[in-house]
Amino acid sequence: GQNIDQPTEMTATEGAIVQINCTYQTSGFNGLFWYQQHAGEAPTFLSYNVLDGLEEKGRFSSFLSRSKGYSYLLLKELQMKDSASYLCAVSLPSLLYNQGGKLIFGQGTELSVKP
Amino acid sequence: DTEVTQTPKHLVMGMTNKKSLKCEQHMGHRAMYWYKQKAKKPPELMFVYSYEKLSINESVPSRFSPECPNSSLLNLHLHALQPEDSALYLCASSQDTGNRDLQETQYFGPGTRLLVL
Repeated sequence: GQNIDQPTEMTATEGAIVQINCTYQTSGFNGLFWYQQHAGEAPTFLSYNVLDGLEEKGRFSSFLSRSKGYSYLLLKELQMKDSASYLCAVSLPSLLYNQGGKLIFGQGTELSVKP
Repeated sequence: DTEVTQTPKHLVMGMTNKKSLKCEQHMGHRAMYWYKQKAKKPPELMFVYSYEKLSINESVPSRFSPECPNSSLLNLHLHALQPEDSALYLCASSQDTGNRDLQETQYFGPGTRLLVL
């Protein structure tokens, strides 16, 4: 089976730094995505890691350790608009060519940013 | 441009109705997806089309019928739905170069919020 774990809820203060962890145990691994989803809206792509290490994109960074089955999303200089659900998703390898991609999502972490 | 559009935004239907959800992208992507998302839950994959062919069906009940008329369009035909099918239905697309070792980002549309009465 596929198992992706992330905390259900987190609270942080405006201007602070927050780290959202994700651990996974899946039948295969072809990369890990982080998406942001505001209530009632579509998930929007934040970052992608396939090799170990840190990927930085402005205020957002994502880290991956494949040997530990672990990733985190780091958000710096938090803003009120960062209040959203953050979804960790593992990409499974395609069995065939031209099969598209298969994402398995974690339950999402609801982040509340307070003044 | 990473836009995926979906219509309608909201849909209310009875259990005997037939309706269709539509999804469109003009990014030249060759893989398109339908997901179902219940409140406070993650998206669950339903179907994947690659190069206009159905490549993955995640054991979805036959009351949901996908169709891919061309590389830019994806439909989901709904018939005899149940109240538990009420959810946000998300469409996504990705490039799908055909290289199974190359992961490509999926871009999501805004979704159709469906209520079955």
